[in-house]
Amino acid sequence: DAGVIQSPRHEVTEMGQEVTLRCKPISGHDYLFWYRQTMMRGLELLIYFNNNVPIDDSGMPEDRFSAKMPNASFSTLKIQPSEPRDSAVYFCASSFGGLRELFFGEGSRLTVL
Amino acid sequence: GIQVEQSPPDLILQEGANSTLRCNFSDSVNNLQWFHQNPWGQLINLFYIPSGTKQNGRLSATTVATERYSLLYISSSQTTDSGVYFCAVEMRRNYQLIWGAGTKLIIKP
Repeated sequence: DAGVIQSPRHEVTEMGQEVTLRCKPISGHDYLFWYRQTMMRGLELLIYFNNNVPIDDSGMPEDRFSAKMPNASFSTLKIQPSEPRDSAVYFCASSFGGLRELFFGEGSRLTVL
Repeated sequence: GIQVEQSPPDLILQEGANSTLRCNFSDSVNNLQWFHQNPWGQLINLFYIPSGTKQNGRLSATTVATERYSLLYISSSQTTDSGVYFCAVEMRRNYQLIWGAGTKLIIKP
């Protein structure tokens, strides 16, 4: 069974450009989480969805960040405009029935020059 | 807020050795998970263990909720066990995992 699938795996862009990260959760999972990992701050929860509905976006750094989940099998995290301090690894994770067991994708490594 | 402390911060072992990683938390939790982040960055869920003991092959974990700690045991270490081991807890059912700083494990051949 396929795990959580993220794309792209690596993204290098210039400051000011729009970045879109994509995630396909495990089929049947009803929770989807977006995390960001940096050396300085570790893993931070940005936003999570339950049944495609955003529940808590208090971790989203600022208005430049937005996330959508148009259906149960797809979510995007968008940064517009991107800044060098957004450079990090962005993880998508999914689970069934809450936070019982969290399954992570392989991450998208973003570098903003 | 709740504090999650992992020890040791770093551990270097020879292949075949056994190891014990510890996670202390400062308040009652209803969720505790152990993760392994391999050298390529992938995060893998090892155990969901808010209490009790579980085993999966060479790995086992024990959480003593009343004493606010959890232990991860790795037996007969292999080089593929290298990476960072994270403990993460959820205090209230708010879907916020509080992450420890991790234990970096290096297994030498």
